[in-house]
Amino acid sequence: RKEVEQDPGPFNVPEGATVAFNCTYSNSASQSFFWYRQDCRKEPKLLMSVYSSGNEDGRFTAQLNRASQYISLLIRDSKLSDSATYLCVVNREGKLIFGQGTTLQVKP
Amino acid sequence: DGGITQSPKYLFRKEGQNVTLSCEQNLNHDAMYWYRQDPGQGLRLIYYSQIVNDFQKGDIAEGYSVSREKKESFPLTVTSAQKNPTAFYLCASSPTRQAGEQYFGPGTRLTVT
Repeated sequence: RKEVEQDPGPFNVPEGATVAFNCTYSNSASQSFFWYRQDCRKEPKLLMSVYSSGNEDGRFTAQLNRASQYISLLIRDSKLSDSATYLCVVNREGKLIFGQGTTLQVKP
Repeated sequence: DGGITQSPKYLFRKEGQNVTLSCEQNLNHDAMYWYRQDPGQGLRLIYYSQIVNDFQKGDIAEGYSVSREKKESFPLTVTSAQKNPTAFYLCASSPTRQAGEQYFGPGTRLTVT
């Protein structure tokens, strides 16, 4: 079993839709959590950190449930430019563990 | 502009040849990392360095070597001992090893035939 698991998708949604991605992690020693975005054939870039209290950045909302070892990312009012792969990442003792990513394709 | 550069963007080599991938950063970060990414897979850690003249093996270090003679530079050599070297190689840095966020270079696509 992978330490960080994501549904690879792809998720195909129309513009304006709300879409949610989920991620589970298996190691309870994980200390901090992130969502990275990776465009096709490019490097990953930090989208947002994830906090237990939940945090929002514009159309993006991230949530962490430590008890269930579950992380989520909600994207509201999807744009064509949101099309990318979203990587769930956990930091365990200074080591980043990457999920395989969930691919989102937003259609006109 | 501060950032991480990797060169070249694309690299083609014949089987049996060693090849060195360049990674330079001007962010004044102590920690640097090398990852490899294969299609449909997450990033896997090859080597990391927390400070100059020190580096540690990651999860898939076999067939690779690194050096950290300068804070700004962390080159990766893919040796002929690496069984499946064709991949997308990403270099990253962070202020310290404990920092959660890492900054990535644009990557090098290595094809070995």
